[in-house]
Amino acid sequence: DGGITQSPKYLFRKEGQNVTLSCEQNLNHDAMYWYRQDPGQGLRLIYYSQIVNDFQKGDIAEGYSVSREKKESFPLTVTSAQKNPTAFYLCASSSLPYMSDTQYFGPGTRLTVL
Amino acid sequence: QKEVEQNSGPLSVPEGAIASLNCTYSDRVSQSFFWYRQYSGKSPELIMSIYSNGDKEDGRFTAQLNKASQYVSLLIRDSQPSDSATYLCAVNQGTNAGKSTFGDGTTLTVKP
Repeated sequence: DGGITQSPKYLFRKEGQNVTLSCEQNLNHDAMYWYRQDPGQGLRLIYYSQIVNDFQKGDIAEGYSVSREKKESFPLTVTSAQKNPTAFYLCASSSLPYMSDTQYFGPGTRLTVL
Repeated sequence: QKEVEQNSGPLSVPEGAIASLNCTYSDRVSQSFFWYRQYSGKSPELIMSIYSNGDKEDGRFTAQLNKASQYVSLLIRDSQPSDSATYLCAVNQGTNAGKSTFGDGTTLTVKP
């Protein structure tokens, strides 16, 4: 089955630790996105990548980092510089680069800082 | 002013009624508009996309776009309890077509 997988589903982090959230897609999509969702709010864009080896900051990139070494993978690292990282993190992909197209979402990762 | 604003909820309608969800946007050059449905604790899924002024119908769902008024809406006819969810409006950034901005969502409850 084609789709987007995110792991882990739940993640607990101690203050001061970096953690990496995984996102993999087998849809052969060019563009990939990372969003953060806080309770009762919409999606806020953290980083996005239109093609391999290229990515851009979104609206709330501070405290986060990404890489795009392979088309199917777009991992997100939440660094200790992110002061309030507890949130629901969603990865998405869309078919074509630089186009406004339907985004397909993974199941999400819930990150909690202890 | 937020780039994408949705009518504040929650919205409650009886089963079988029409639910109307509204969204306004600030970027005049936006070209693509999307409605996503998000069940509690789940990830969003696409309901409708619309690119041209006017109405677009898909089953019980109708999306309406008015670019002059910078307004997009979603009508749900014959609402069912299974339609109870949060509906997110997404608008592409006209100057950066690969990037969409999401509203905060409107939570709909359909009461049996």
